[in-house]
Amino acid sequence: AQKITQTQPGMFVQEKEAVTLDCTYDTSDQSYGLFWYKQPSSGEMIFLIYQGSYDEQNATEGRYSLNFQKARKSANLVISASQLGDSAMYFCAMEEAGNNRKLIWGLGTSLAVNP
Amino acid sequence: GAGVSQSPRYKVAKRGQDVALRCDPISGHVSLFWYQQALGQGPEFLTYFQNEAQLDKSGLPSDRFFAERPEGSVSTLKIQRTQQEDSAVYLCASSLVGEHQETQYFGPGTRLLVL
Repeated sequence: AQKITQTQPGMFVQEKEAVTLDCTYDTSDQSYGLFWYKQPSSGEMIFLIYQGSYDEQNATEGRYSLNFQKARKSANLVISASQLGDSAMYFCAMEEAGNNRKLIWGLGTSLAVNP
Repeated sequence: GAGVSQSPRYKVAKRGQDVALRCDPISGHVSLFWYQQALGQGPEFLTYFQNEAQLDKSGLPSDRFFAERPEGSVSTLKIQRTQQEDSAVYLCASSLVGEHQETQYFGPGTRLLVL
């Protein structure tokens, strides 16, 4: 079974609008971390935002926020005020406490921002 | 400041050749990770170092894959007798102190094509 599920292979958004990228996860650990990365066509994986399983507040980093719903095991990324430079692949990843620091990744969502 | 660097950025190898991929982590970072990303997929964990110690190599797909980090800084991923299925982007990441759920910072990757 997939541990990280990203159900949206591709998404479109108009410039300056907000967009939500979905991520659900599966773990039996109580302690885990969730990460979002952006991968432009150049290939580099760029860290965006992190949410710990014990964090009570949703994480925010500039235009990025994470809608963390622990009971539903979802960690959706919200990008506000989309910019053309946001066009890229977006990956959700998880580190489980008992899994020796390896990140487990989803298949990604391709986001296209339209002018 | 300098991020994670990888070389070469692109490598074309004939089936059966040996290749060596280099990773220079962020200066002072204790942990180093290698991931393999096939086309259209999320990254898959290969191996993890804490300083010079290889703490987890459970993701290495076969004994043709070997990684080392002899002085706890630069790491080399070696693939012997390359096969077509080894074609992928090889991503290296580093993190500062090696704590659980610490952010991993990635390099630009090495794109390997095996003909």
